[in-house]
Amino acid sequence: AQRVTQPEKLLSVFKGAPVELKCNYSYSGSPELFWYVQYSRQRLQLLLRHISRESIKGFTADLNKGETSFHLKKPFAQEEDSAMYYCALRRAGNMLTFGGGTRLMVKP
Amino acid sequence: DTEVTQTPKHLVMGMTNKKSLKCEQHMGHRAMYWYKQKAKKPPELMFVYSYEKLSINESVPSRFSPECPNSSLLNLHLHALQPEDSALYLCASSHLGQGRSTNEKLFFGSGTQLSVL
Repeated sequence: AQRVTQPEKLLSVFKGAPVELKCNYSYSGSPELFWYVQYSRQRLQLLLRHISRESIKGFTADLNKGETSFHLKKPFAQEEDSAMYYCALRRAGNMLTFGGGTRLMVKP
Repeated sequence: DTEVTQTPKHLVMGMTNKKSLKCEQHMGHRAMYWYKQKAKKPPELMFVYSYEKLSINESVPSRFSPECPNSSLLNLHLHALQPEDSALYLCASSHLGQGRSTNEKLFFGSGTQLSVL
């Protein structure tokens, strides 16, 4: 069975500090992973996907199959990064299984 | 137009009422989804439509009845709901890629906040 775990419900950092939002998964097949973000009063939206190996808004995430992880990182957090972040695993049919989410608070 | 539009934004209904949630997109997406999100919880998949046909039903109770009248519209008909059905109902859409591994991005609507009294 597929499962996505985000161990931290809340992560609070100061502006300019490094950020790492943890995501671990279990999946029997070849995993396809995403990070979605929900800013206050905005809709849920894609932040990045592992297959693209992209950096969006300074965030990166590397798929580590050995550790079954897909942690989201940013070297210097900004106040506007404060949001709810969901790690998601794609199943067949483009269905997503979401992790429990981590609320990131960046303090000035 | 790169938005998924959901109406109404808020809905309060009694357990004997019949109501419908509506979702619309004009991005040419042929996959549409209903998700349910309880407070402080992640979204949970309910239904998937591919090419206007129901392809996935995640064991959702029959008091929720989806409908896809055309490629741009998705409805969720509600009847005899329970208070525990109160949640944010999210619609999403995506392209349907070729093959198993498509990594297609989901576009979400802003949701309908449903309260069942």
